[in-house]
Amino acid sequence: DGGITQSPKYLFRKEGQNVTLSCEQNLNHDAMYWYRQDPGQGLRLIYYSQIVNDFQKGDIAEGYSVSREKKESFPLTVTSAQKNPTAFYLCASSTTGYGNEQFFGPGTRLTVL
Amino acid sequence: GENVEQHPSTLSVQEGDSAVIKCTYSDSASNYFPWYKQELGKRPQLIIDIRSNVGEKKDQRIAVTLNKTAKHFSLHITETQPEDSAVYFCAALLSGGYNKLIFGAGTRLAVHP
Repeated sequence: DGGITQSPKYLFRKEGQNVTLSCEQNLNHDAMYWYRQDPGQGLRLIYYSQIVNDFQKGDIAEGYSVSREKKESFPLTVTSAQKNPTAFYLCASSTTGYGNEQFFGPGTRLTVL
Repeated sequence: GENVEQHPSTLSVQEGDSAVIKCTYSDSASNYFPWYKQELGKRPQLIIDIRSNVGEKKDQRIAVTLNKTAKHFSLHITETQPEDSAVYFCAALLSGGYNKLIFGAGTRLAVHP
């Protein structure tokens, strides 16, 4: 289970607050991803990054922001503009190249109070 | 946009029976199809994958079949065991250079002793 970590495991936020979710990997992977998981909807891609200092919007990027200043780290900020932020957030990483396995972190469950 | 449809959403079998989960995808240029297993409260983990140059792949009790013409692929689990109980996600890798996966909505499999 080692290699990619997320913190915190549980996070509670008041409406109107920004929160940042941490994702760190020591697998020497260039590519990193953020997914949102809601019941019955599978995993939806928020943002992804193929290399340091570069990232792309996924299918549901509105209300989220990311940075990729280091290869090992890909933090996700959930802003107050995200209308329904309560969800399970999963970070993943992979080597670059077509069809390489994505390894997932343990996830962060965010609840807006 | 591109999508992956997965059926059924829930599946209940008796221990020892077989289980089949089916997915269809829309991007005809997709060439990589992984299956992930997610146990309750845990991270998704890759259990098997298939690439478009093969029609079937087996790994012990698990097999995946691919029909590129119909844009359809399936997961087959034989001799099911209670520890197979989990949510299973299919995915298709989009063409276009980035390692971007589109996931199905998931199938909750329950194996009863």
